[in-house]
Amino acid sequence: DAGVIQSPRHEVTEMGQEVTLRCKPISGHNSLFWYRQTMMRGLELLIYFNNNVPIDDSGMPEDRFSAKMPNASFSTLKIQPSEPRDSAVYFCASSLNRAFVNTEAFFGQGTRLTVV
Amino acid sequence: KNQVEQSPQSLIILEGKNCTLQCNYTVSPFSNLRWYKQDTGRGPVSLTIMTFSENTKSNGRYTATLDADTKQSSLHITASQLSDSASYICVVSAIGSSASKIIFGSGTRLSIRP
Repeated sequence: DAGVIQSPRHEVTEMGQEVTLRCKPISGHNSLFWYRQTMMRGLELLIYFNNNVPIDDSGMPEDRFSAKMPNASFSTLKIQPSEPRDSAVYFCASSLNRAFVNTEAFFGQGTRLTVV
Repeated sequence: KNQVEQSPQSLIILEGKNCTLQCNYTVSPFSNLRWYKQDTGRGPVSLTIMTFSENTKSNGRYTATLDADTKQSSLHITASQLSDSASYICVVSAIGSSASKIIFGSGTRLSIRP
């Protein structure tokens, strides 16, 4: 398996534009996580899906952020409109979740977002 | 409040030397503790995962310890190599099904010098 695949690897956009980040989890995994990483705040969980259903979105910072998982092999994180403070590295991770907290999450390479 | 604190923030050592990274936590009720290695520009990769009943776990030159009584963990790296240069992140999970019960430390940035 190629692991968790994220695209694009880098994204530069102007303030106010819509940004869509994409993630393909590891085949067979049924849990998917979106994280954001900045120097100031480290890794932060944004949202967690289990069996394609959003379970916990308490980390989503604002209504400008939305995430979908239309099927088991694809998820998107959308920011609309984007702002400079959204600049960060966004990671997607997946795991095989039977008892969630005891399973390992595998991370993608991340998408480095720069909003100018 | 659930917290994970790591020390030191950064560390520079010479190639071949050993080092120990620390993680203190207040997460409760405790489920497990993981150490991740994150190379620059890449996603975190799991090194070890330890539950309440485990106090030592090794992965090659990496050895993690856990003291559930004092709520402390350490990651010991033996005979460091240049490829060990990375950030090491301690992650503690509380019992429960919510992903929000996963608490990340801020990481230790380790630099290995030749």
